[in-house]
Amino acid sequence: SQQGEEDPQALSIQEGENATMNCSYKTSINNLQWYRQNSGRGLVHLILIRSNEREKHSGRLRVTLDTSKKSSSLLITASRAADTASYFCATDAGDDKIIFGKGTRLHILP
Amino acid sequence: DVKVTQSSRYLVKRTGEKVFLECVQDMDHENMFWYRQDPGLGLRLIYFSYDVKMKEKGDIPEGYSVSREKKERFSLILESASTNQTSMYLCASSSISGRAADTQYFGPGTRLTVL
Repeated sequence: SQQGEEDPQALSIQEGENATMNCSYKTSINNLQWYRQNSGRGLVHLILIRSNEREKHSGRLRVTLDTSKKSSSLLITASRAADTASYFCATDAGDDKIIFGKGTRLHILP
Repeated sequence: DVKVTQSSRYLVKRTGEKVFLECVQDMDHENMFWYRQDPGLGLRLIYFSYDVKMKEKGDIPEGYSVSREKKERFSLILESASTNQTSMYLCASSSISGRAADTQYFGPGTRLTVL
């Protein structure tokens, strides 16, 4: 029951550059969330954007949502080594459940 | 600070053993979830619970059962462990939101190896 799909699957950029990840989904949603997972650890919630919002910011993170295209993007500005992680989008699936995509692996090069 | 803890970070068991994975949250959340995460497959929902003594099957419940005797504790049970259950197991909790799913808070994960 895959809902969100991240693109690209993997991304390597130089420290200081901006990183952009995309998420596409199939059915209408109430909200969309982004999570980060450092290697071998649990997921950490980054940001939640509701279906009636178009853009949201949190520190160096900027999330956009285009419900007409059923897509979202996560922008990390001025990347740091500590941003190296996997990033997942998650869409609500009814009954308080969410469905995760397979993630984008981001590697920040020194 | 929000906290979800899991009983073990790493666990090695033998085929056929009964395995218990424990998860405890201190946020008074109603919802608790168990996922497994495998390379190339992402996170898949095994079971979830909306309240004490309530449980619902997720996408891949076969070979697993759960127990929720107290609100803060949600246990995942592998009745007879098999090698294809070698995986990373993640527990999460969230509050009831009504219509749209709320933020989920995750534990650090248990990497289970079944020999």
